Amino acid sequence: DIQMTQSPSSLSAFVGDRVTITCQASQDISKFLNWYQQKPGKAPKLLIYDASNLETGVPSRFSGSGSGTDFTFTISSLQPEDIATYYCQQYDYFPFTFGGGTKVEIK
Amino acid sequence: QVQLVESGGGVVQPGRSLRLSCAASGFPFSGYGMHWVRQAPGKGLEWVAVISDDGISKYYADSVKGRFTISRDNSKNTVYLQMSSLRVEDTAVYYCAKDWRYHGDPRRGYFDYWGQGTPVTVSS
Repeated sequence: DIQMTQSPSSLSAFVGDRVTITCQASQDISKFLNWYQQKPGKAPKLLIYDASNLETGVPSRFSGSGSGTDFTFTISSLQPEDIATYYCQQYDYFPFTFGGGTKVEIK
Repeated sequence: QVQLVESGGGVVQPGRSLRLSCAASGFPFSGYGMHWVRQAPGKGLEWVAVISDDGISKYYADSVKGRFTISRDNSKNTVYLQMSSLRVEDTAVYYCAKDWRYHGDPRRGYFDYWGQGTPVTVSS
């Protein structure tokens, strides 16, 4: 199975800060990488698909980049409603696998 | 709008069985693969199973293969997860999720809509 390594596992930042999360795949997955947001007690929500495409209705402060094995997820200006855990997920190889998650908190 | 509503979770003893259901609405159900994804308490996400739009192709995570069975009834817009020989480590919230692509290969999909989840606790 493809291993997805996310870092950091948690972070704390001020409102308005730029936040960056990385995800590394154990082998080349091309662009087949998605990012999900999970708020406490809620179901995950798709934010970014195919590494860099913003899902409809998702605020433009969220963005993604990367290809191959190294990917980045960015919140350009952290807002209070962005408090959540973020997961990457690959779908180039079966079975689908997720990263371990990054918990984002406000300072 | 797309809605996915899971039901059937509960507390069950190890070795017993449980069937989860997920009722879908707001999209042409028979055109999309459907997944189950679980999350153990305080842990990350684990994909469990997927079924193709026509119900013919089914795939499972190694951790549940031979114990869980995914099925669907397109006349009822519902997908099921039959769980047998349950283990303590199957304790989790179980989410159903819609595959993103119409008539797509279920092994190359991802999850564009999720239900609210149903909790399953396996304990003696």
